[in-house]
Amino acid sequence: ILNVEQSPQSLHVQEGDSTNFTCSFPSSNFYALHWYRWETAKSPEALFVMTLNGDEKKKGRISATLNTKEGYSYLYIKGSQPEDSATYLCASTSGTYKYIFGTGTRLKVLA
Amino acid sequence: NAGVTQTPKFRILKIGQSMTLQCTQDMNHNYMYWYRQDPGMGLKLIYYSVGAGITDKGEVPNGYNVSRSTTEDFPLRLELAAPSQTSVYFCASSYSGDQPQHFGDGTRLSIL
Repeated sequence: ILNVEQSPQSLHVQEGDSTNFTCSFPSSNFYALHWYRWETAKSPEALFVMTLNGDEKKKGRISATLNTKEGYSYLYIKGSQPEDSATYLCASTSGTYKYIFGTGTRLKVLA
Repeated sequence: NAGVTQTPKFRILKIGQSMTLQCTQDMNHNYMYWYRQDPGMGLKLIYYSVGAGITDKGEVPNGYNVSRSTTEDFPLRLELAAPSQTSVYFCASSYSGDQPQHFGDGTRLSIL
């Protein structure tokens, strides 16, 4: 993998459902993996930064895991709420400190 | 607590005109970045800087220039505006490469 890829591109879930997204990134020269939440008409806000294989981070109902050997990270949202509706971006940083962003997963939570 | 401040918020340029997008941060961050976001696409890195006096190209540097004379400021210069540069531009900063980035509110630029 040469780029950062996210899947799915978009999804709709019902309020109360749990969901997860995938971020795939180059595993060579890996330095850090970032997750951001981006609401419409706002700027991205940082959720998590992970650097070690096996890292798990949690913030409220949102959590993330990291596998640096195979080059993927999962973001989980438990009990989705309408206010969780946003685009979730991941970005990989290589040893050159250049951030490469994925195109994001657009989440819509239906009340 | 200003964070990252970008000016202007909106601008319309004619083809061939020049302009500078301003970005300043008050968090004493070493790293600063310029991105562009095109419809349906993610963020593409234009230029970045790891400290005053040091800049480097990102994925899409053509048609742009930057300078970093102080820790706080990282202006982005468009010399000969082209329609392909119509986009939303975001400036961001971070303490280091493994720390989260803080983003400005963006500059919406249209070139007609």
